[in-house]
Amino acid sequence: KQEVTQIPAALSVPEGENLVLNCSFTDSAIYNLQWFRQDPGKGLTSLLLIQSSQREQTSGRLNASLDKSSGRSTLYIAASQPGDSATYLCAVYPSNFGNEKLTFGTGTRLTIIP
Amino acid sequence: KAGVTQTPRYLIKTRGQQVTLSCSPISGHRSVSWYQQTPGQGLQFLFEYFSETQRNKGNFPGRFSGRQFSNSRSEMNVSTLELGDSALYLCASSLGGSSYNEQFFGPGTRLTVL
Repeated sequence: KQEVTQIPAALSVPEGENLVLNCSFTDSAIYNLQWFRQDPGKGLTSLLLIQSSQREQTSGRLNASLDKSSGRSTLYIAASQPGDSATYLCAVYPSNFGNEKLTFGTGTRLTIIP
Repeated sequence: KAGVTQTPRYLIKTRGQQVTLSCSPISGHRSVSWYQQTPGQGLQFLFEYFSETQRNKGNFPGRFSGRQFSNSRSEMNVSTLELGDSALYLCASSLGGSSYNEQFFGPGTRLTVL
């Protein structure tokens, strides 16, 4: 059974700092990995999708990397801003076709201090 | 292109009642998945429908059921509501079919059971 863990569970950093969020998964037989953010009481906003053939993806100040062999992904946020405060979730796609079930991580609650 | 829509956005029910939630996928998407999010359990997969057939199912009791219509819209039903069913219910749609497709999430339905 796939288990996805995110460490730390909560993180507070001053505005302007660069930071890294971690995502670990127990079964390396995954296809895609996706990072989301969730604001309190809201749905999920997709940030980056790393497809099977890729090792990283970038969007603006965000960069996500994927190392399947070690079961790890990291989300790097550059020059953090107060608007980045949210919960960040990673989700893995199973490798068996026809299985659309995503397994989500436990989330990291990020607070950017102005 | 319109995103995934969910109705209603908020619901308040009492124990023992039943509830139906609706999800309209992105046009052209044939797969709809449902997830439950609670503070204690995080995001958990309920079930997935593809071309009107349930293709995958999570580990939830039979009180949770769903269906998909020919236009790919999906409904989820919870019977005999319990306090523990209070949660944010999210649906996601994807193209489905012959490749691993990105899932797109709706804003969710917040269900409160009193």
